[in-house]
Amino acid sequence: QSALTQPASVSGSPGQSITISCTGTKNDIGGYNFVSWYQQHPGKAPKLLIYDVSDRPSGISYHFSGSKSGNTASLTISALRAGDEADYYCSSYTNNKTVVFGGGTKVTVL
Amino acid sequence: EVQLVQSGAEARKPGESLKISCKASGYSFISHWVGWVRQMAGKDLEWMGVIYPGDSETRYSPSFQGRVTISADKSTSTVYLQWSGLKASDSAMYYCVKGSSGQHATWFNPWGQGTLVTVTS
Repeated sequence: QSALTQPASVSGSPGQSITISCTGTKNDIGGYNFVSWYQQHPGKAPKLLIYDVSDRPSGISYHFSGSKSGNTASLTISALRAGDEADYYCSSYTNNKTVVFGGGTKVTVL
Repeated sequence: EVQLVQSGAEARKPGESLKISCKASGYSFISHWVGWVRQMAGKDLEWMGVIYPGDSETRYSPSFQGRVTISADKSTSTVYLQWSGLKASDSAMYYCVKGSSGQHATWFNPWGQGTLVTVTS
């Protein structure tokens, strides 16, 4: 199974909003509302930000939000701050009862 | 508090066997999927597979099927990842992850601290 497609990098200034896309197929993103997003700071383990397309776990800031349209999911970070500089990965459940990750997006705060 | 505590870093030679562990606590071990994710140095995340400790159902990524074995010990709330013939390309950080409950493992939270595996001759 192929990895989901994410842009390699996205940047923005503090206070701005940015959106990271994650494109799959009808066999993963398009077929299920089981998209999740993870944040990984250098040298740290990833952390769950969003699950089931748009739900936030307890303790995750409201300035992270998720959505989906067709085979593409999106993570929006509003009011960008320095601490948001990290790698972001999407993932989706697939029709093979497995999970596939995206290639990751490096977010830079200018 | 939900915790996943992984075993320490390991160094092996190509062809050797290895079993790393992940001890879970703070939740119902048998009711949630537990899985493993590989991250090679500087690279992206790769989902390897999951196990449901309640009935030991196991699902593997096609990329890792036949190369690794995931198992669980309900008596100690521990999940294992093992190799029978390591290759240099198995050198990576391996994360243990607690999955969602229910029929499918669709998201993972929290993640263990990672176990670094180095395979070199």
